[in-house]
Amino acid sequence: GESVGLHLPTLSVQEGDNSIINCAYSNSASDYFIWYKQESGKGPQFIIDIRSNMDKRQGQRVTVLLNKTVKHLSLQIAATQPGDSAVYFCAENGGSQGNLIFGKGTKLSVKP
Amino acid sequence: GAVVSQHPSWVICKSGTSVKIECRSLDFQATTMFWYRQFPKQSLMLMATSNEGSKATYEQGVEKDKFLINHASLTLSTLTVTSAHPEDSSFYICSARRPSPEAFFGQGTRLTVV
Repeated sequence: GESVGLHLPTLSVQEGDNSIINCAYSNSASDYFIWYKQESGKGPQFIIDIRSNMDKRQGQRVTVLLNKTVKHLSLQIAATQPGDSAVYFCAENGGSQGNLIFGKGTKLSVKP
Repeated sequence: GAVVSQHPSWVICKSGTSVKIECRSLDFQATTMFWYRQFPKQSLMLMATSNEGSKATYEQGVEKDKFLINHASLTLSTLTVTSAHPEDSSFYICSARRPSPEAFFGQGTRLTVV
């Protein structure tokens, strides 16, 4: 199930199930979006990206969906594994300095 | 993929001292690097944009005299936390971009001020 903690929503799934992590982005002018995985004490690790001229992109076990109408991104992870446990952030390239703007993040916990 | 190296990965310092964090792009030239700060269970917040050969651009609420940024070459940016206090304890992360929109991140630096 999904719960919202003080700062970070948490999604708990069973190993082997599919996971869906959602994100709302802020800048309608953003045209490039990225999903990052962050393990404890480490920097963000690139997972998959998508440009605004697409609404779906698939990688290995991961799929990103983009809905520009409602400014929504989702990350789907197939056959979730314990090694997928981490915090997942979406990011958009709409920063005024050319920087990425990060979403709040979702903590994914995979139960064996 | 491109590699961004950040050093040190962790540091403990006494209140009132200064700490320097380095961010290097190892296999590409980065005219722009970004410094983020991340508190526990929170997202990354942009502190400043580091521009090679010119002054950094700081986000609102970030003290430029406290967080000194130097981008002396196309492969190195440094962040110096001056007169550190316990409230400066955080995870600091740098990133660098090539002309492509993808950003590459360093490993992060855990700063603890005691």
